[in-house]
Amino acid sequence: AQKVTQAQTEISVVEKEDVTLDCVYETRDTTYYLFWYKQPPSGELVFLIRRNSFDEQNEISGRYSWNFQKSTSSFNFTITASQVVDSAVYFCALSPATGFQKLVFGTGTRLLVSP
Amino acid sequence: NAGVTQTPKFQVLKTGQSMTLQCAQDMNHEYMSWYRQDPGMGLRLIHYSVGAGITDQGEVPNGYNVSRSTTEDFPLRLLSAAPSQTSVYFCASTRSMGAPGNTIYFGEGSWLTVV
Repeated sequence: AQKVTQAQTEISVVEKEDVTLDCVYETRDTTYYLFWYKQPPSGELVFLIRRNSFDEQNEISGRYSWNFQKSTSSFNFTITASQVVDSAVYFCALSPATGFQKLVFGTGTRLLVSP
Repeated sequence: NAGVTQTPKFQVLKTGQSMTLQCAQDMNHEYMSWYRQDPGMGLRLIHYSVGAGITDQGEVPNGYNVSRSTTEDFPLRLLSAAPSQTSVYFCASTRSMGAPGNTIYFGEGSWLTVV
């Protein structure tokens, strides 16, 4: 069975601090996909990144970066110089390679960035 | 291009009533899914479909029915609403695997309260 664990329920930081959101996953598949989504207070799900299990390169997109380590089954997400607009719930999700119709989500991490 | 459209956005039901949450996509996606989001639980898969006439159960299917008579539509039926079905419901669609640039499109969510 597949499982995603986001152990951090809520994180509070002050603006401009760096913050890392942890994601640990379990799967028996050799090929799979990992995702991060942002859910702002308005409720919609905003896609941030998708990573194939064969691609362990770290990725940076502006203030966002992701560290994928298969050896520890982790796909952590770092926000550099956080801003108030980053306040949201962030979800890590796992999908089998057979299709994206069966995502397994973590329970989410609520990030509160105060001015 | 509307993407994934869910209706209604908000609904209050009485225990025992039935209703249908509508989901439509205009991208000719083969795969569609329904998730529910509960506080502290993340999103959990209810039912999914890999094409017209083909549906299957997800993690939490009890109390829900689905059908897929067309590629565009994937309605979720609550047979006899219970307070435990109070939740936010998300519909998602995606192409089958192998399609270049494949990603997942989520609807904006439907807030359902059962009293």
